[in-house]
Amino acid sequence: GAGVSQSPRYKVTKRGQDVTLRCDPISSHATLYWYQQALGQGPEFLTYFNYEAQPDKSGLPSDRFSAERPEGSISTLTIQRTEQRDSAMYRCASSSGFHNEQFFGPGTRLTVL
Amino acid sequence: QKEVEQDPGPLSVPEGAIVSLNCTYSNSAFQYFMWYRQYSRKGPELLMYTYSSGNKEDGRFTAQVDKSSKYISLFIRDSQPSDSATYLCAMRGETSGSRLTFGEGTQLTVNP
Repeated sequence: GAGVSQSPRYKVTKRGQDVTLRCDPISSHATLYWYQQALGQGPEFLTYFNYEAQPDKSGLPSDRFSAERPEGSISTLTIQRTEQRDSAMYRCASSSGFHNEQFFGPGTRLTVL
Repeated sequence: QKEVEQDPGPLSVPEGAIVSLNCTYSNSAFQYFMWYRQYSRKGPELLMYTYSSGNKEDGRFTAQVDKSSKYISLFIRDSQPSDSATYLCAMRGETSGSRLTFGEGTQLTVNP
């Protein structure tokens, strides 16, 4: 695609519900990243994929967070049993190579009530 | 203490001013330094990318890295209202893979 797309753009959920966020990277980009960005803060690394492999998930804040990229293209980020502190912008980025420029998507604004 | 510190501002300047944005960091392993610009309701976009110490110029923008002081700067000359955005510094090491560590961003407004 022309750029990184994410869906939904906004998600409001009740505490305790599970949510799944989707990222569609730039086509042919091998590497895909997930970041969490709190209001007024810079993005914080969650995890990344190189194709379907997930070499680093050390930024995931708890085992309620998981990510997949089963076919090496589209990725999902799932948050189970959401808590109010999970409210944030979740950003996806992709790059053509390991150390190349990361292109960011518009983000999904998650609000947990 | 955060690994990367950035003054959040907000910073307001008149059109044509020279703007200086700065970050300090504590991790001496950082080797690659970036500046991202983030417009409201948009994702960050890469503005400048430098490796190790030194200067890099691109049009009205100059990035400086001083590894001995663990200090990086972005200068914007002849600032324009279209430069109004949040500027984020980001950095990573050789062995940290693709993991970027960001500052919290400085909100800049350039007034016409």
